[in-house]
Amino acid sequence: DAMVIQNPRYQVTQFGKPVTLSCSQTLNHNVMYWYQQKSSQAPKLLFHYYDKDFNNEADTPDNFQSRRPNTSFCFLDIRSPGLGDAAMYLCATSSNRGTTDTQYFGPGTRLTVL
Amino acid sequence: GQNIDQPTEMTATEGAIVQINCTYQTSGFNGLFWYQQHAGEAPTFLSYNVLDGLEEKGRFSSFLSRSKGYSYLLLKELQMKDSASYLCAVLDSNYQLIWGAGTKLIIKP
Repeated sequence: DAMVIQNPRYQVTQFGKPVTLSCSQTLNHNVMYWYQQKSSQAPKLLFHYYDKDFNNEADTPDNFQSRRPNTSFCFLDIRSPGLGDAAMYLCATSSNRGTTDTQYFGPGTRLTVL
Repeated sequence: GQNIDQPTEMTATEGAIVQINCTYQTSGFNGLFWYQQHAGEAPTFLSYNVLDGLEEKGRFSSFLSRSKGYSYLLLKELQMKDSASYLCAVLDSNYQLIWGAGTKLIIKP
């Protein structure tokens, strides 16, 4: 029944060591989003894909990259994680962009940076 | 700038009723969402309001007043499992979701 799947659920990395988080969806939605959420804060949108069209938020650091090889999968690459990047990373999908379609979230990946 | 305000934390008693308020100032409005988020988990969709008034869905109801930039989530017959954060999010004129920081609801027996 899982619709938006994220792996791993918990990821530990070392300062400066690249890490990749993955997201897959079975909803066949056009739009996939990556959010960063720190404790007791609102989710912060990093970027989204509308189909293959990549949209970066203006304040997303260059350290964060994303890939979407096909409709079902999307990856978040953190090239050189810093201590400040420790957070929950949430993947979400919606049917379309520019509409009132609900965003559906995966369970998240909690990233720890040592 | 765009702003969503919610109380940081609320406490209520099992079996009681609680109202979580949300006020917003955004560039345009295409609807307001409420999400529930248990600790360490992803947000799950609760409700969507775009027209003024009350929408009831079981124990949860959501109200919207666009003229006042105000919404509330009403939870009845509180259960321990309702302990969670409740996030208010507004879809602005560009259909971007603007999120509040969430209200942590603590339920006591």
